[in-house]
Amino acid sequence: GDSVTQMEGPVTLSEEAFLTINCTYTATGYPSLFWYVQYPGEGLQLLLKATKADDKGSNKGFEATYRKETTSFHLEKGSVQVSDSAVYFCALSDPAGRRALTFGSGTRLQVQP
Amino acid sequence: NAGVTQTPKFRVLKTGQSMTLLCAQDMNHEYMYWYRQDPGMGLRLIHYSVGEGTTAKGEVPDGYNVSRLKKQNFLLGLESAAPSQTSVYFCASSTHPGTRFTDTQYFGPGTRLTVL
Repeated sequence: GDSVTQMEGPVTLSEEAFLTINCTYTATGYPSLFWYVQYPGEGLQLLLKATKADDKGSNKGFEATYRKETTSFHLEKGSVQVSDSAVYFCALSDPAGRRALTFGSGTRLQVQP
Repeated sequence: NAGVTQTPKFRVLKTGQSMTLLCAQDMNHEYMYWYRQDPGMGLRLIHYSVGEGTTAKGEVPDGYNVSRLKKQNFLLGLESAAPSQTSVYFCASSTHPGTRFTDTQYFGPGTRLTVL
């Protein structure tokens, strides 16, 4: 079945550092790929998405590129802020019918001032 | 426009008790989902619905039932709660897909359930 693998956290960075969170996937067909963010005590919010190979999703300084050849969708940001501290989830959509998301286990990011 | 709302926000049950979690969306979405979130495991799909009056099982359906009598509401029931059902429950909704599966899921704020 479909699966998503994320790097384990927590990831601790200083403010203005460069961020990479790795995500790889296994899926049949051609899934859409997503990054969701969960701030403390809140639900998940869509951060960015990409729907086909070589697409780049971007939002709030974060970006990720859909790499079909390496089945990856790594999240990057050039300069993190304290307010970026959250849990980040990589996910893929099931193109077969139910449209449910398959999530990775999440990566907690802590940004220190 | 409230988006996706969930009731209640917190609940503590004793083993064997029953309860219903309510999810409501005001975006006229066709698809609705129930997930549970457990530490280190991401979110896992419990049940889902592709339209009013329809439901289907997800990855971890045992011990749960659902109903979608109205398009805007999706109820998750626990008939006899067990400690293994201690979790955070999230509801989500999305539009009916078009020619490409690009629909985004919108999540509620979650319900934290503890079963003693």
